[in-house]
Order: sequence, then structure tokens, then C-alpha cells
Amino acid sequence: QGQLVESGGGAVQPGRSLRLSCAASGFRFSNYGMHWVRQAPGKGLEWLAVIWYDGSNKYYADAVKGRFTMSRDNSKNTLYLEMNSLRVEDTAVYYCARDWGWPRSSFDSWGRGTLVTVSS
Amino acid sequence: QSALSQPPSASGSPGQSVTISCTGTSSDVGGYNYVSWYQQHPGKAPKLMIYDVSKRPSGVPDRFSGSKSGNTASLTVSGLQADDEADYYCSSYAGSNNVVFGVGTKLTVL
Repeated sequence: QGQLVESGGGAVQPGRSLRLSCAASGFRFSNYGMHWVRQAPGKGLEWLAVIWYDGSNKYYADAVKGRFTMSRDNSKNTLYLEMNSLRVEDTAVYYCARDWGWPRSSFDSWGRGTLVTVSS
Repeated sequence: QSALSQPPSASGSPGQSVTISCTGTSSDVGGYNYVSWYQQHPGKAPKLMIYDVSKRPSGVPDRFSGSKSGNTASLTVSGLQADDEADYYCSSYAGSNNVVFGVGTKLTVL
């Protein structure tokens, strides 16, 4: 199933920006759609966005539309999430996950997550 | 898009069966056969247990099964084992290129 490793998390003030990365290995990254999912501390999972295998289509949850941008570099086997205008409520562990077959809402491989803390 | 409803907790003794429900609407669970279930142990990433309502990925024990009736999907865990104790989340395609998760259920093995 391969491996996914997120990075780029940390503490940031409200209104600032942060870019997360997700490095993929062990599978042909360019063949798969990818997702970002987050989990606020002690809370449930929240789907954020999906990007097609070739980057041709991207869809976002209303909660992050217009603030977050998902992209990928298939030559580097890396997925990105650019997060702008961060809010306190964006504090969460952010996971990247491999698509099992859109629109199945099935994610068959997950990273371990990276924690983003938005606080003044 | 509202989160899917799940009971906050469920429990059973080793060897017993337990069923967790996931209730949505005709716009998500009831409208598509795209319900998945995930198991999440504390501090770990979620693991896909069921997809397409009732299908199991390779490696998932057949003690885990899924079904759907109307706007409610269900996950049944049979022959409960200690390692089944975890949080369980359902998810569904919600149309218009959106995915919605359930609020999660904490399964306790007594």
C-alpha cells in the first residue's frame, strides 16, 4: 500500500499561512488521486479536499474553499496543501490519504499526520 | 454538509457481536452505495475496514461486515476481540464532489 509521510505542521498565528507536504513512496503516486483529511484534537475526521491523479481536478470542502489550495508534483511524488488565512478552528492533525476510487469516499492508505496549531 | 450521526459509544464482551449505525440523508448515505468505515486506534491513523457499503479490503478480517438500509448504514463486528477496541468512523459520498464523515463511535470491549 505504500507509505505517506506528512510534514510542515507547527504553530502559527491566526491569519498567517502554512504549507503542508505529503511525501509518497512504495507505489506509483502519479496513478492515484489523493485527499487531505483533518482531525481536531479529541474530535472526528473531516474531509478537506481531493486532487485527481494528474492534478486536473480539485474539489474542496466548504470549510476551506477559497483559503486552502491543494496541489501535487508527480515528479517529486509529493502532495501539498497551502493553507492561508488560518483560523483557530483550523487547529488539527492533518492527514494525507490515498484515494481508493473517487467518489467512493474510501481512503486506503494514510499518513501518520502532522499537527497544525493556530493560536495567538 | 452536516456530519453523519453515529452513537457516541458501543460496547460488547469478547466473542460477542456489536453493530454501529451511521445515519445520514438521501443526499449522502441513502443516495449512493459509497459508504466506508474506518477504524482508528488512539494516536494512530485511520484504517479502511469497509468500502462500497459492504466490501472488505484485503487483510481485513471477515468478522467485520457492513450493510445499508435507506439512509442508515451499519458496521457489525462479530467475535469481538480486545484489539477491536477503537474509534470507528463512517464516511459517505455526499454528491457535488463532497465527502462527509460520521461523528465517530468509541467501541469498548468489556
